[in-house]
Amino acid sequence: NAGVTQTPKFRILKIGQSMTLQCTQDMNHNYMYWYRQDPGMGLKLIYYSVGAGITDKGEVPNGYNVSRSTTEDFPLRLELAAPSQTSVYFCASSYSTSGDNEQYFGPGTRLTVT
Amino acid sequence: EDQVTQSPEALRLQEGESSSLNCSYTVSGLRGLFWYRQDPGKGPEFLFTLYSAGEEKEKERLKATLTKKESFLHITAPKPEDSATYLCAVQAVSFQKLVFGTGTRLLVSP
Repeated sequence: NAGVTQTPKFRILKIGQSMTLQCTQDMNHNYMYWYRQDPGMGLKLIYYSVGAGITDKGEVPNGYNVSRSTTEDFPLRLELAAPSQTSVYFCASSYSTSGDNEQYFGPGTRLTVT
Repeated sequence: EDQVTQSPEALRLQEGESSSLNCSYTVSGLRGLFWYRQDPGKGPEFLFTLYSAGEEKEKERLKATLTKKESFLHITAPKPEDSATYLCAVQAVSFQKLVFGTGTRLLVSP
């Protein structure tokens, strides 16, 4: 199993541009998450999904959108990029809310908006 | 509001010098407390889940313990390869989401 994969690894955007961060997992996990990690701030949840077709907002959803058309994929869309969206983005997945709920993380996408 | 505070922010140890990292938490009903390791430029890697006060889990040189207010990650005789940032997170009974602390950066010198 590849686990959780993310593309691209690095990206530089100009203010106002849009892009999609890709996330795929091959563990047949129901739950998927998007986090951003800023220096000294810890991981903040942007959006999450409990299954195909179902998504919900996390702590910091403004400026982002998600979709979940399949179990495997959970892309994150940035519309009208702003410097405040410069961060490292991590996608994660987990099997269930009950019992063991450890989340497995991808390698991250480092995004710079200038 | 659920909160996680980790201390110290950074810790420098000599190889073989044992120590502990602290994770203090407030949560409206704990479902689980999670420890992760994060290497520079990589995603967090799962280490342990603890569910109830008094529980302990071990993996190689690491041992995690849990009380009703805090968790400790004990590192026994650390090696340079243990250098990483260690993250703590809690999950409340009522929520799917994890709330993360800001981490402890550990540097082990040979």
